[in-house]
Amino acid sequence: EVQLLEAGGGLVQPGGSHRLSCVGSGFSLRSHWMSWVRQAPGKGLEWVANINPEGSGRDHVASVRGRFTVSKDNAGNSLYLQMDNLRPEDTAVYFCARTAIIGRGLDLWGQGRPVTVS
Amino acid sequence: DIQMTQSPSSVSASVGDSVTITCRASQPINNWLAWYQQKPGKAPRLLISAASTLQAGVPSRFSGSASGTDFTFTISSLQPEDAATYYCQQANISPDTFGQGTKLEIK
Repeated sequence: EVQLLEAGGGLVQPGGSHRLSCVGSGFSLRSHWMSWVRQAPGKGLEWVANINPEGSGRDHVASVRGRFTVSKDNAGNSLYLQMDNLRPEDTAVYFCARTAIIGRGLDLWGQGRPVTVS
Repeated sequence: DIQMTQSPSSVSASVGDSVTITCRASQPINNWLAWYQQKPGKAPRLLISAASTLQAGVPSRFSGSASGTDFTFTISSLQPEDAATYYCQQANISPDTFGQGTKLEIK
């Protein structure tokens, strides 16, 4: 089955660190751009970061730049989001997502993991 | 960053009606626009990419179109299961910004 399975999340103190992981099955991450998207409680979707198929190029939204780092391990078919210096406003459900090869939409999503900074 | 202005923020319609949601980009995005459906507690689902390309398995009552920096998403013949929040997202230039969302209620 083609899917993304996320792990991690939970309660983190302000200023703390945490790493989310996302493992792909049924397809190869080395063929796709991958993204992280978050959703604060009761709010809309916010794009957080993405990384290119090779893992050599990445970008982050300004509000997390310098604190969060997206990475991938193509051999392990895994995507990561390292979150440092966490703030209460980072509290959200975090989704990993795959970019379709054609059309650029996010066509496969993980189940989402909640991160609470308090 | 490219701003995506989505409207309305909420809409209520009856089964069988048609509903239209619009998104306006703050600059040209070469039609790299996607539409998603999200139900409570679930991950978003991609419905349309490249402004008008329907994803496999998505009912044909969903459609999208583009005119310059204005994008339209239409659901015709509403069904009860269409109750959800809908988002647009531009994928032309990073950061790949989302619209604010439109909550659709079925009367």
